[in-house]
Amino acid sequence: DGGITQSPKYLFRKEGQNVTLSCEQNLNHDAMYWYRQDPGQGLRLIYYSQIVNDFQKGDIAEGYSVSREKKESFPLTVTSAQKNPTAFYLCASSIDPSGGNQPQHFGDGTRLSIL
Amino acid sequence: DAKTTQPPSMDCAEGRAANLPCNHSTISGNEYVYWYRQIHSQGPQYIIHGLKNNETNEMASLIITEDRKSSTLILPHATLRDTAVYYCIVSYNNNDMRFGAGTRLTVKP
Repeated sequence: DGGITQSPKYLFRKEGQNVTLSCEQNLNHDAMYWYRQDPGQGLRLIYYSQIVNDFQKGDIAEGYSVSREKKESFPLTVTSAQKNPTAFYLCASSIDPSGGNQPQHFGDGTRLSIL
Repeated sequence: DAKTTQPPSMDCAEGRAANLPCNHSTISGNEYVYWYRQIHSQGPQYIIHGLKNNETNEMASLIITEDRKSSTLILPHATLRDTAVYYCIVSYNNNDMRFGAGTRLTVKP
């Protein structure tokens, strides 16, 4: 079935380490997004990519990095510069990044915790 | 910041219609109204969206007022599995989706 796969579901990181979260989609969508969700709160946009080899910062990009070498993949690296990385991370994709008439489809998220 | 205002929580009896309100008084002419829901520890699920006209699909109905300043999501026959946080979002493109805290809907037996 078509969809978005995020892995791993749970991830633990030691302080000072970088860690990479995987996001793969087989929907042939052009645009992909990374969000962060803290307990009891809504989603905040970290980075987005409208086409391969291009990406833009969202509202809370500091301490994060991304790459978009392939259409189906948009990995997120949480660097040691991110002072409060413990959160639920969600990846999404959409057909048309510019149009307002296409919904986003979400993966089931990765929960990152600091040891 | 989210451009919408939703009540923080609502209850609904199983089998009854759930009517979830959303205020978006500053909505622009080219902005769509989207509804998503999120069940605990899962990713948000798209429900429905619209621009001006009322919309209906297999999951829900969306009623948008004529002045577009508010809308209502209707789940016609709520089940226990509809217990979730429901997000109302206004956006003209997917790079500008603002998820607020949403409404926590609890469907009770």
